[in-house]
Amino acid sequence: AAGVIQSPRHLIKEKRETATLKCYPIPRHDTVYWYQQGPGQDPQFLISFYEKMQSDKGSIPDRFSAQQFSDYHSELNMSSLELGDSALYFCASSLAAGGEGNGYTFGSGTRLTVV
Amino acid sequence: QKEVEQNSGPLSVPEGAIASLNCTYSDRGSQSFFWYRQYSGKSPELIMFIYSNGDKEDGRFTAQLNKASQYVSLLIRDSQPSDSATYLCAAPTPTGGFKTIFGAGTRLFVKA
Repeated sequence: AAGVIQSPRHLIKEKRETATLKCYPIPRHDTVYWYQQGPGQDPQFLISFYEKMQSDKGSIPDRFSAQQFSDYHSELNMSSLELGDSALYFCASSLAAGGEGNGYTFGSGTRLTVV
Repeated sequence: QKEVEQNSGPLSVPEGAIASLNCTYSDRGSQSFFWYRQYSGKSPELIMFIYSNGDKEDGRFTAQLNKASQYVSLLIRDSQPSDSATYLCAAPTPTGGFKTIFGAGTRLFVKA
């Protein structure tokens, strides 16, 4: 079965550069979420999209933006990168309907290292 | 107080024992809960969903929910070294938004 696809798997950027992370959700899933996970920390919610519209916003810095496109893939754009942005970035998708369908399927993540 | 709290551990159990992982939540409006397993450097993987008070069993895993005590637990029977991972308790935001709140996770070690 198709899973959530994220690219790239690894990314190394210098401070003040920009980065774009991509996510392709499971077909028919109507909601996409982005999470940031630092070493030894729980996933921190950044932003979500429901049917291509932003639905919720968490602790996403103003330097970051995201969007979901007509084919349902989503991109997280990160500018003016800082050392503290180094983390694992997960994308997940689910059905918005309540219950067990709310369970997330996560992508493999993008490991961003800012040097 | 975090909305979803877990003991970060580590919790160490011998192979074949029962591992008990606990989670408490602060919002009485929360209706359903998920347990995810995360191996080091990997993405979280959904392993259990529960929304009714009581127990739900799936193979070696049993989730328990007590809404009166705002308490969720995950029991792993016959623990195996391959169960060594971080277990994340999670709850969809009760306000109807589109996000799930994760606990900090409990690190489990199963010793062979």
